[in-house]
Amino acid sequence: EVQLVDSGGGLVKPGRSLRLSCVASGFTFSSYTMNWVRQAPGKGLEWVSSISGSSTYIYYADSVKGRFTISRDNAKSSLYLQMNSLRAEDTAIYYCGRDLRTGWAYSDFWGQGTLVTVSS
Amino acid sequence: DIQMTQSPSSVSASVGDRVTITCRASQGIGSWLAWYQQKPGKAPKLLIYGASTLESGVPSRFTGSGSGTDFTLTISSLQPEDFATYFCQQANSSPRTFGQGTKVEIK
Repeated sequence: EVQLVDSGGGLVKPGRSLRLSCVASGFTFSSYTMNWVRQAPGKGLEWVSSISGSSTYIYYADSVKGRFTISRDNAKSSLYLQMNSLRAEDTAIYYCGRDLRTGWAYSDFWGQGTLVTVSS
Repeated sequence: DIQMTQSPSSVSASVGDRVTITCRASQGIGSWLAWYQQKPGKAPKLLIYGASTLESGVPSRFTGSGSGTDFTLTISSLQPEDFATYFCQQANSSPRTFGQGTKVEIK
């Protein structure tokens, strides 16, 4: 059974950093592009970042470029999001997701989400 | 970025009703469109991709159609477990972008 478990969220002050993790199981992690999508409270979905199976291709939304870094450790079946210089507008539930197929930007499995709150 | 616009923002319906949600892209995206269902406090669930391909395990009462800029999600006979928010998402070009959501509520 495919499972994604997000963790690492919490309350953080503006300008500080936080690292999110997503541990995968039930599939060959290294074969899939993974991504982070966030959802501000009561709002819609916003794609944040994607990373290919071998980490060759990495993409970011303009809103986080230069502040967030996506990475993965295929030996640990883990995905990470290092978030620096956090702002109030980064407050959201962050979901990791698995893309259905390489080159197909549809997420067929999602983590349960981890809440990041940026507030002084 | 490609803008995705859903309508309506919310719809009130009864069990057994036919419900249709539309999604319009700001430019042509071929058939590169997905629909997701999200229930309160839960992650989104993929229902349809490629505009009309049903994800494994999704009931056949869900149907997707359209291509280019105009797309439709139809629930043929609404069931109690279908009350949720639905999002469309384009996968034609980066960044992938989502519609603002359509909440299906109980009448």
